[in-house]
Amino acid sequence: GNSVTQMEGPVTLSEEAFLTINCTYTATGYPSLFWYVQYPGEGLQLLLKATKADDKGSNKGFEATYRKETTSFHLEKGSVQVSDSAVYFCALGPGGGADGLTFGKGTHLIIQP
Amino acid sequence: ETGVTQTPRHLVMGMTNKKSLKCEQHLGHNAMYWYKQSAKKPLELMFVYNFKEQTENNSVPSRFSPECPNSSHLFLHLHTLQPEDSALYLCASSQEIARARSTDTQYFGPGTRLTVL
Repeated sequence: GNSVTQMEGPVTLSEEAFLTINCTYTATGYPSLFWYVQYPGEGLQLLLKATKADDKGSNKGFEATYRKETTSFHLEKGSVQVSDSAVYFCALGPGGGADGLTFGKGTHLIIQP
Repeated sequence: ETGVTQTPRHLVMGMTNKKSLKCEQHLGHNAMYWYKQSAKKPLELMFVYNFKEQTENNSVPSRFSPECPNSSHLFLHLHTLQPEDSALYLCASSQEIARARSTDTQYFGPGTRLTVL
């Protein structure tokens, strides 16, 4: 079946630091890949998405590239802000017999001023 | 009106109570989902509805009973829960069950924080 592995953290960085959150996956076929973000006390918000190999999703300064050869979808941002503090989830789109998303455990990101 | 709303936002119930969680989407979508988010575990898909028909039940105990009266509303009826059922319950919707990658993005509500005593 489908599965997602991501670093759990917490990951603590200083403001303006470079961010990478690793995500690797196993999947049947080639589903879409997603990053969702969850701020304290809230539900999940879609951050970015890529639908096929070599696609790059981007939003709010975050980027991730769909790498079929390494089965990865690492999240990056060049200069993080305190407001980026949240939990980030990597997810696989429906496939392999499942209609829902398959999520990683989430990475808690803490940005210090 | 925001895209996906859930009520109540917080719920405390005893093991013998019966309660219901409500989800409403204002996005014109046809597919709706219930997920469970427990501490230190990945989000778990519970139920999926497409055009009001249940398409997936991920081995969820019968003390959880979903209902989808129309494409805009989704309920989760709860009875005789256990303390380990305490979690954040998230509702989501998408345009339809994914047949194309242009329609597989799911949009989430804020969740209901459930505590079972």
